[in-house]
Amino acid sequence: SAVISQKPSRDICQRGTSLTIQCQVDSQVTMMFWYRQQPGQSLTLIATANQGSEATYESGFVIDKFPISRPNLTFSTLTVSNMSPEDSSIYLCSVQTTRTDTQYFGPGTRLTVL
Amino acid sequence: GNSVTQMEGPVTLSEEAFLTINCTYTATGYPSLFWYVQYPGEGLQLLLKATKADDKGSNKGFEATYRKETTSFHLEKGSVQVSDSAVYFCALSSMKTSYDKVIFGPGTSLSVIP
Repeated sequence: SAVISQKPSRDICQRGTSLTIQCQVDSQVTMMFWYRQQPGQSLTLIATANQGSEATYESGFVIDKFPISRPNLTFSTLTVSNMSPEDSSIYLCSVQTTRTDTQYFGPGTRLTVL
Repeated sequence: GNSVTQMEGPVTLSEEAFLTINCTYTATGYPSLFWYVQYPGEGLQLLLKATKADDKGSNKGFEATYRKETTSFHLEKGSVQVSDSAVYFCALSSMKTSYDKVIFGPGTSLSVIP
Protein backbone atom coordinates (compact mmCIF):
# COMPACT_ATOMS: atom_id res chain seq x y z
CA SER A 1 0.00 0.00 0.00
CA ALA A 2 1.03 3.61 -0.54
CA VAL A 3 2.62 5.68 2.22
CA ILE A 4 0.65 8.88 2.71
CA SER A 5 1.71 11.92 4.72
CA GLN A 6 -0.24 15.01 5.65
CA LYS A 7 0.89 18.39 6.87
CA PRO A 8 0.17 19.90 9.30
CA SER A 9 -0.81 17.09 11.63
CA ARG A 10 -2.82 19.53 13.74
CA ASP A 11 -3.49 23.23 13.99
CA ILE A 12 -5.46 25.75 16.01
CA CYS A 13 -6.76 28.64 13.95
CA GLN A 14 -8.76 31.80 14.44
CA ARG A 15 -12.14 32.21 12.81
CA GLY A 16 -12.10 33.99 9.49
CA THR A 17 -8.66 32.70 8.52
CA SER A 18 -7.76 29.94 6.03
CA LEU A 19 -5.63 26.83 6.35
CA THR A 20 -4.05 24.78 3.58
CA ILE A 21 -3.51 21.08 4.21
CA GLN A 22 -1.02 19.12 2.14
CA CYS A 23 -1.19 15.46 1.17
CA GLN A 24 1.84 13.66 -0.25
CA VAL A 25 1.95 10.08 -1.53
CA ASP A 26 5.13 8.08 -2.10
CA SER A 27 3.94 6.65 -5.43
CA GLN A 28 1.78 7.72 -8.33
CA VAL A 29 -1.89 7.07 -7.66
CA THR A 30 -4.95 7.44 -9.81
CA MET A 31 -7.45 8.81 -7.36
CA MET A 32 -7.06 11.16 -4.41
CA PHE A 33 -9.86 12.14 -2.08
CA TRP A 34 -10.50 14.50 0.79
CA TYR A 35 -12.75 13.59 3.71
CA ARG A 36 -14.00 15.40 6.77
CA GLN A 37 -14.57 13.64 10.07
CA GLN A 38 -16.45 15.76 12.57
CA PRO A 39 -15.97 14.95 16.27
CA GLY A 40 -17.34 11.52 17.10
CA GLN A 41 -18.69 11.03 13.58
CA SER A 42 -18.00 8.92 10.52
CA LEU A 43 -16.27 10.13 7.37
CA THR A 44 -17.89 12.46 4.87
CA LEU A 45 -16.42 12.77 1.39
CA ILE A 46 -15.69 16.39 0.50
CA ALA A 47 -14.35 15.96 -3.02
CA THR A 48 -12.29 13.96 -5.47
CA ALA A 49 -9.05 15.72 -6.39
CA ASN A 50 -8.51 15.45 -10.15
CA GLN A 51 -5.05 15.80 -11.56
CA GLY A 52 -4.80 18.83 -13.83
CA SER A 53 -8.47 19.80 -13.58
CA GLU A 54 -11.04 21.07 -11.11
CA ALA A 55 -12.00 18.84 -8.22
CA THR A 56 -15.35 17.05 -8.14
CA TYR A 57 -17.30 18.15 -5.07
CA GLU A 58 -19.94 16.23 -3.17
CA SER A 59 -23.30 17.69 -2.33
CA GLY A 60 -22.98 20.29 0.39
CA PHE A 61 -19.37 21.21 -0.36
CA VAL A 62 -18.33 24.06 -2.64
CA ILE A 63 -15.09 25.17 -4.22
CA ASP A 64 -15.14 28.61 -2.63
CA LYS A 65 -15.08 27.08 0.84
CA PHE A 66 -12.82 24.10 0.10
CA PRO A 67 -10.54 24.87 -2.85
CA ILE A 68 -8.48 21.85 -3.87
CA SER A 69 -5.41 21.53 -6.03
CA ARG A 70 -3.75 18.47 -7.53
CA PRO A 71 -0.80 19.49 -9.67
CA ASN A 72 0.54 15.95 -10.15
CA LEU A 73 -0.14 12.29 -9.36
CA THR A 74 1.46 12.34 -5.91
CA PHE A 75 0.39 15.63 -4.29
CA SER A 76 -2.79 17.48 -3.39
CA THR A 77 -3.85 20.36 -1.16
CA LEU A 78 -7.12 21.20 0.53
CA THR A 79 -7.77 24.72 1.79
CA VAL A 80 -10.39 25.39 4.42
CA SER A 81 -11.40 29.00 3.80
CA ASN A 82 -12.92 31.64 6.04
CA MET A 83 -13.03 29.19 8.92
CA SER A 84 -15.63 29.04 11.65
CA PRO A 85 -15.78 26.82 14.76
CA GLU A 86 -18.06 24.46 12.81
CA ASP A 87 -15.07 23.60 10.62
CA SER A 88 -13.29 22.01 13.58
CA SER A 89 -12.76 18.44 12.36
CA ILE A 90 -10.23 15.91 11.25
CA TYR A 91 -9.46 16.25 7.53
CA LEU A 92 -8.24 13.08 5.86
CA CYS A 93 -6.63 12.47 2.52
CA SER A 94 -7.05 9.08 0.87
CA VAL A 95 -5.76 7.45 -2.31
CA GLN A 96 -6.80 4.65 -4.62
CA THR A 97 -5.00 3.14 -7.58
CA THR A 98 -6.45 1.88 -10.85
CA ARG A 99 -7.80 -1.66 -10.86
CA THR A 100 -8.14 -1.81 -7.09
CA ASP A 101 -11.15 -1.17 -4.93
CA THR A 102 -9.28 -0.17 -1.79
CA GLN A 103 -8.68 3.31 -0.42
CA TYR A 104 -5.73 4.04 1.88
CA PHE A 105 -5.74 6.94 4.27
CA GLY A 106 -3.30 9.49 5.52
CA PRO A 107 -2.89 10.19 9.24
CA GLY A 108 -5.25 13.15 9.15
CA THR A 109 -5.06 16.83 10.09
CA ARG A 110 -6.76 17.81 13.33
CA LEU A 111 -8.15 21.31 13.00
CA THR A 112 -9.55 23.39 15.83
CA VAL A 113 -11.12 26.75 15.02
CA LEU A 114 -11.55 29.22 17.87
CA GLY B 1 -28.66 3.71 -2.76
CA ASN B 2 -25.84 1.88 -1.05
CA SER B 3 -25.62 2.01 2.72
CA VAL B 4 -23.84 0.45 5.69
CA THR B 5 -25.26 -0.10 9.16
CA GLN B 6 -23.19 -0.93 12.23
CA MET B 7 -24.06 -1.74 15.78
CA GLU B 8 -24.07 1.29 17.99
CA GLY B 9 -21.28 1.79 20.45
CA PRO B 10 -19.53 2.32 22.63
CA VAL B 11 -18.61 -1.27 23.33
CA THR B 12 -16.66 -2.00 26.50
CA LEU B 13 -15.02 -5.39 27.00
CA SER B 14 -12.59 -6.94 29.40
CA GLU B 15 -9.25 -8.12 28.10
CA GLU B 16 -9.41 -11.60 26.50
CA ALA B 17 -13.15 -11.34 25.88
CA PHE B 18 -14.73 -12.29 22.55
CA LEU B 19 -15.60 -9.44 20.23
CA THR B 20 -18.35 -9.18 17.66
CA ILE B 21 -19.20 -5.95 15.86
CA ASN B 22 -22.18 -6.35 13.56
CA CYS B 23 -22.25 -4.81 10.10
CA THR B 24 -24.97 -5.12 7.47
CA TYR B 25 -25.12 -3.48 4.09
CA THR B 26 -27.45 -2.55 1.27
CA ALA B 27 -26.01 -2.53 -2.22
CA THR B 28 -26.71 -3.62 -5.75
CA GLY B 29 -24.54 -6.28 -7.27
CA TYR B 30 -21.51 -7.63 -5.45
CA PRO B 31 -19.68 -4.93 -3.55
CA SER B 32 -16.31 -5.26 -1.89
CA LEU B 33 -16.49 -5.01 1.89
CA PHE B 34 -13.96 -3.54 4.29
CA TRP B 35 -13.19 -3.00 7.93
CA TYR B 36 -11.09 0.03 8.80
CA VAL B 37 -9.71 0.82 12.26
CA GLN B 38 -8.94 4.24 13.71
CA TYR B 39 -6.70 4.25 16.77
CA PRO B 40 -6.87 7.32 19.03
CA GLY B 41 -5.33 10.33 17.37
CA GLU B 42 -4.62 8.55 14.09
CA GLY B 43 -6.05 8.18 10.60
CA LEU B 44 -7.88 5.15 9.25
CA GLN B 45 -6.03 1.90 8.62
CA LEU B 46 -7.35 -0.91 6.48
CA LEU B 47 -7.90 -3.87 8.80
CA LEU B 48 -9.27 -6.45 6.37
CA LYS B 49 -11.36 -6.83 3.24
CA ALA B 50 -13.39 -9.35 1.27
CA THR B 51 -14.36 -9.06 -2.37
CA LYS B 52 -16.89 -11.85 -2.98
CA ALA B 53 -19.45 -13.98 -1.24
CA ASP B 54 -18.10 -16.42 1.38
CA ASP B 55 -14.66 -14.78 1.35
CA LYS B 56 -13.12 -14.44 4.79
CA GLY B 57 -10.86 -11.47 5.46
CA SER B 58 -8.45 -11.74 8.37
CA ASN B 59 -5.69 -9.69 9.97
CA LYS B 60 -4.19 -9.29 13.47
CA GLY B 61 -6.55 -11.94 14.86
CA PHE B 62 -9.64 -10.22 13.45
CA GLU B 63 -11.91 -12.00 10.98
CA ALA B 64 -14.99 -11.17 8.94
CA THR B 65 -16.90 -13.31 6.45
CA TYR B 66 -18.78 -11.90 3.47
CA ARG B 67 -22.32 -13.27 3.79
CA LYS B 68 -24.34 -12.49 0.70
CA GLU B 69 -27.49 -14.23 1.96
CA THR B 70 -27.68 -12.07 5.07
CA THR B 71 -25.89 -9.02 3.55
CA SER B 72 -23.56 -8.99 6.52
CA PHE B 73 -19.85 -8.63 7.26
CA HIS B 74 -19.54 -8.99 11.04
CA LEU B 75 -16.14 -8.39 12.63
CA GLU B 76 -14.93 -10.92 15.21
CA LYS B 77 -11.92 -11.49 17.39
CA GLY B 78 -11.52 -14.34 19.81
CA SER B 79 -9.54 -12.54 22.51
CA VAL B 80 -9.28 -8.76 22.57
CA GLN B 81 -6.39 -6.79 24.01
CA VAL B 82 -6.19 -3.31 25.48
CA SER B 83 -4.33 -2.28 22.33
CA ASP B 84 -7.45 -3.08 20.26
CA SER B 85 -9.21 -0.06 21.76
CA ALA B 86 -10.18 2.02 18.74
CA VAL B 87 -13.06 2.97 16.48
CA TYR B 88 -13.98 0.40 13.83
CA PHE B 89 -15.64 1.35 10.54
CA CYS B 90 -17.38 -1.04 8.18
CA ALA B 91 -17.38 0.12 4.55
CA LEU B 92 -18.31 -0.97 1.06
CA SER B 93 -17.29 -0.17 -2.50
CA SER B 94 -19.40 -1.18 -5.46
CA MET B 95 -16.72 -1.04 -8.12
CA LYS B 96 -13.89 -3.54 -8.17
CA THR B 97 -11.83 -2.20 -11.04
CA SER B 98 -12.59 1.50 -11.12
CA TYR B 99 -13.59 4.24 -8.80
CA ASP B 100 -16.84 4.38 -6.92
CA LYS B 101 -17.61 6.21 -3.73
CA VAL B 102 -16.75 4.24 -0.61
CA ILE B 103 -19.67 4.14 1.79
CA PHE B 104 -18.73 4.12 5.48
CA GLY B 105 -20.78 3.00 8.42
CA PRO B 106 -21.09 5.27 11.47
CA GLY B 107 -18.27 3.56 13.34
CA THR B 108 -18.24 1.54 16.55
CA SER B 109 -16.05 2.61 19.43
CA LEU B 110 -14.39 -0.24 21.34
CA SER B 111 -12.79 0.12 24.75
CA VAL B 112 -10.92 -2.84 26.21
CA ILE B 113 -10.19 -2.67 29.92
CA PRO B 114 -7.51 -4.71 31.71
